[in-house]
Amino acid sequence: EAQVTQNPRYLITVTGKKLTVTCSQNMNHEYMSWYRQDPGLGLRQIYYSMNVEVTDKGDVPEGYKVSRKEKRNFPLILESPSPNQTSLYFCASSLAGRYEQYFGPGTRLTVT
Amino acid sequence: KQEVTQIPAALSVPEGENLVLNCSFTDSAIYNLQWFRQDPGKGLTSLLLIQSSQREQTSGRLNASLDKSSGRSTLYIAASQPGDSATYLCAVRGAGSYQLTFGKGTKLSVIP
Repeated sequence: EAQVTQNPRYLITVTGKKLTVTCSQNMNHEYMSWYRQDPGLGLRQIYYSMNVEVTDKGDVPEGYKVSRKEKRNFPLILESPSPNQTSLYFCASSLAGRYEQYFGPGTRLTVT
Repeated sequence: KQEVTQIPAALSVPEGENLVLNCSFTDSAIYNLQWFRQDPGKGLTSLLLIQSSQREQTSGRLNASLDKSSGRSTLYIAASQPGDSATYLCAVRGAGSYQLTFGKGTKLSVIP
């Protein structure tokens, strides 16, 4: 089944403790992206990747890192999480040229 | 900077009615526009993708139109059903850009 998977789905952590949210797609998509969704602010793009080893900042990249060493994986790294990074995070992928985005199920992160 | 607006923020209709959801964007230089559905606590499901050269797309009871010059798109839902209750989001990809800008969504409730 074609899908985008994220792990973990739920995470509660403390300020400053490094964490990684994984994202994987099995559709051989070139383009992958991370978003956060907050009440009243909607979905905002954090980082995106056009292909392996090619990444760029979205609208809200501060406090986040990404890497794209393999085509199927695009992990989101929070080196030192803070409470303002409490949010619902989505990973998405698409085929270059068409750009119809397919979303993962989301990761709900709480930073205390 | 592209801004995407969806009006109304919430809509309640009786089952069986036809309805229209609106999406407007400030920069008409777009590559495509995509409509999504989001159920509570869930990820986004792609409904329709309209390329900038297209005027409309149809899938089942759904029809999306695009008027790029006026910066508007509509999502028409025919014969609404309670299962259509969800939040509907539109997102715009700018021409020459890999970034996707989302509206804040319209929360639809279809009353049996």
